[in-house]
Amino acid sequence: DGGITQSPKYLFRKEGQNVTLSCEQNLNHDAMYWYRQDPGQGLRLIYYSQIVNDFQKGDIAEGYSVSREKKESFPLTVTSAQKNPTAFYLCASSIDLDVEQYFGPGTRLTVT
Amino acid sequence: AQSVTQPDIHITVSEGASLELRCNYSYGATPYLFWYVQSPGQGLQLLLKYFSGDTLVQGIKGFEAEFKRSQSSFNLRKPSVHWSDAAEYFCAVGASVAGGTSYGKLTFGQGTILTVHP
Repeated sequence: DGGITQSPKYLFRKEGQNVTLSCEQNLNHDAMYWYRQDPGQGLRLIYYSQIVNDFQKGDIAEGYSVSREKKESFPLTVTSAQKNPTAFYLCASSIDLDVEQYFGPGTRLTVT
Repeated sequence: AQSVTQPDIHITVSEGASLELRCNYSYGATPYLFWYVQSPGQGLQLLLKYFSGDTLVQGIKGFEAEFKRSQSSFNLRKPSVHWSDAAEYFCAVGASVAGGTSYGKLTFGQGTILTVHP
């Protein structure tokens, strides 16, 4: 089955630790995205990548980093510089920019 | 810059009643428009999309939406709501290729939470 997988579903970390969230897609999509979702704030774009080895900051990139070494994979690292990392993180992909995006199931990160 | 407004944060309807969720967008040219649905703790699922052509588009789960350029709206409708439709709904806008500058992303509204009473 084609789709987007995110792992793990739930992730717990201590404050001050970096943590990497996984996102893999087998849809052969060129573009991939990371969003953060907080209650009442909709989806906010963290980073996006149009092609391999290229990525752009979104609206709230501070405290996050990404890599795009393979077309299928777009991991997100939440660094200790992110002041409020506890949130629901969604990965998405699309054939190209601006068209419909397909979402993974999300990872809920809790930092204490 | 493009923007999306969903005026209703929370809507409650009775099962079997009709539904309309509002979406207004701001964009200089003809946009690409989308509606997504999200169940609690899950990812977003695409309900329908509008790129061009017929302004009334049909989607999955019995939903439809109508693009009205004069009102800059793309409202989502369903004639008879089922309890399983309870979820959060997001409207999104992307830049059409012919419309000019690509912003490189979709812009999402804040979402509308739908509660369905039995």
